[in-house]
Amino acid sequence: DTGVSQNPRHKITKRGQNVTFRCDPISEHNRLYWYRQTLGQGPEFLTYFQNEAQLEKSRLLSDRFSAERPKGSFSTLEIQRTEQGDSAMYLCASRLVDVPDSYEQYFGPGTRLTVT
Amino acid sequence: AQSVSQHNHHVILSEAASLELGCNYSYGGTVNLFWYVQYPGQHLQLLLKYFSGDPLVKGIKGFEAEFIKSKFSFNLRKPSVQWSDTAEYFCAVNWNYGGSQGNLIFGKGTKLSVKP
Repeated sequence: DTGVSQNPRHKITKRGQNVTFRCDPISEHNRLYWYRQTLGQGPEFLTYFQNEAQLEKSRLLSDRFSAERPKGSFSTLEIQRTEQGDSAMYLCASRLVDVPDSYEQYFGPGTRLTVT
Repeated sequence: AQSVSQHNHHVILSEAASLELGCNYSYGGTVNLFWYVQYPGQHLQLLLKYFSGDPLVKGIKGFEAEFIKSKFSFNLRKPSVQWSDTAEYFCAVNWNYGGSQGNLIFGKGTKLSVKP
């Protein structure tokens, strides 16, 4: 399967701990997105990269959140000093840009974070 | 601010009934429109998309959607639902600015339950 993969699938952590999630996009997809989804809501945009450049960050992305895509391939999302309100499903998506009619994003299975 | 509204939170239908799920977005401009589906325990999958051209688009599994620009709507339809259509359905919009397409804005989702 060459879809978007995310690790870990589940993460339980105690309040105040740091966590890091990884996303591997579809090979050769140059744009990578992070979204957050809470119960009863649709996914909400956090940030996106084009290759290794982080081009946009949502106001939802507080200073405790940082994302990287160092070589333009996989990406990591780190949350420092986790809070209970960070409990959510974190979704990664990727797409190819500059190709006609390729606007759709392909989503990974998500990482479910529970902060206790 | 850009927003996407889905009118129904939970829809319950019997098999063979017809389905229509509403989706409206906040304001105009050039948009790309999507419906994603999330089956129980699975990740978000693209159901259908509209970029340009014929406003009636057909997707997988017998679904179709109609883009009505004057109403800022992109409603999803299926003439006869099956038990296997039980899932959560998300409408998503991407606004084009100067040829660059950024993140998706999602509605809150509609949970569809089909009774056998």
